[in-house]
Amino acid sequence: DAGITQSPRHKVTETGTPVTLRCHQTENHRYMYWYRQDPGHGLRLIHYSYGVKDTDKGEVSDGYSVSRSKTEDFLLTLESATSSQTSVYFCAISPRDRGIDYEQYFGPGTRLTVT
Amino acid sequence: AQSVTQLDSHVSVSEGTPVLLRCNYSSSYSPSLFWYVQHPNKGLQLLLKYTSAATLVKGINGFEAEFKKSETSFHLTKPSAHMSDAAEYFCVVSPITGNQFYFGTGTSLTVIP
Repeated sequence: DAGITQSPRHKVTETGTPVTLRCHQTENHRYMYWYRQDPGHGLRLIHYSYGVKDTDKGEVSDGYSVSRSKTEDFLLTLESATSSQTSVYFCAISPRDRGIDYEQYFGPGTRLTVT
Repeated sequence: AQSVTQLDSHVSVSEGTPVLLRCNYSSSYSPSLFWYVQHPNKGLQLLLKYTSAATLVKGINGFEAEFKKSETSFHLTKPSAHMSDAAEYFCVVSPITGNQFYFGTGTSLTVIP
């Protein structure tokens, strides 16, 4: 299995509080992604990173920010959590080396509940 | 523009019968295509991938998929379903250019004993 960990694995928080989720990899892959998974929607991209300090928005980025100060860590922050952000969050990594290895590898997920 | 359509949100098959999960894609560029499986309360695992080599791709656990450019399809098949195949399946497209992966909404497979 690819070396990806997510922390925390479960979190319950109150509306209006800030929340930070961490993704850590040991594979030295260039690309890292944050998705949320909700019933009927599959996985939707929140933000992704293509290198240290290089990030870009996905289709559902409103209310979320990210940071990547080291290759191995990608942080997702909910500045002021809302109930609509209750979801399961997945981190993924990819080398995107088209000649050899192109797919994404996923972490175990973080279940976030905003009350 | 990139998009993926999984034509069935839910498929039920009897154990030992064939499985067909359908996926159509839209991509402005030559795509790479993937199928992932997610068992209940688990992360996503890669089943197989197409990256412009052979159009018939074999994956893990007896699954395979065929890339048909003329039909813009990448359907997932398995000759004989097993109880352990019950899971959610996602079709994913990623264009050769760009940095993103685009997910279908998933197909839930039920295997009836």
